[in-house]
Amino acid sequence: EAQVTQNPRYLITVTGKKLTVTCSQNMNHEYMSWYRQDPGLGLRQIYYSMNVEVTDKGDVPEGYKVSRKEKRNFPLILESPSPNQTSLYFCASSLTGTGENTEAFFGQGTRLTVV
Amino acid sequence: AQKVTQAQTEISVVEKEDVTLDCVYETRDTTYYLFWYKQPPSGELVFLIRRNSFDEQNEISGRYSWNFQKSTSSFNFTITASQVVDSAVYFCALSRFLGNQFYFGTGTSLTVIP
Repeated sequence: EAQVTQNPRYLITVTGKKLTVTCSQNMNHEYMSWYRQDPGLGLRQIYYSMNVEVTDKGDVPEGYKVSRKEKRNFPLILESPSPNQTSLYFCASSLTGTGENTEAFFGQGTRLTVV
Repeated sequence: AQKVTQAQTEISVVEKEDVTLDCVYETRDTTYYLFWYKQPPSGELVFLIRRNSFDEQNEISGRYSWNFQKSTSSFNFTITASQVVDSAVYFCALSRFLGNQFYFGTGTSLTVIP
């Protein structure tokens, strides 16, 4: 089954404790990205990756890091989480980074709470 | 710059009523793509439709229909004979031809009352 898998689904952590949210897709997609969803703001892009070893900032990259060492994985790293990073996070993938293949497949979401 | 506006924050309708969710977008690109996603209470994002900027034909899929009007930069979504299972947050989004970044609206929360 084609899917994007995020882990964990729920996470409560403390300020400053490094964490990683994993994202994996089994569709051989080139393009992957991370979004955060906040009430009244919709979804905003954090980082994206056009292919292996190619990543770039989205609209709200501050406080986040990503890496793309393999095509299927695109982890989101919070080096020193803060309470304003409490949010619902979505990973997405699509076949390529060009519009003709822009149907995005979203993971199930990771609800992160930073206390 | 790209922007998607969903002016309706919350809508409540009684079951079997028709409801239209509005979406207005801004872009200077000539090639772009418009989407609707549904987010049920369980939280996942469910793809509903994709439209490219060169295809202004309206589309109907069962009780769902979409009206794309380039002249008013709108891509509205109508649910006919609404059902309780339609209760969800609906997002309109725009993506560019290159870069594949999605620009989401702030969402419209639809509640269908039995």
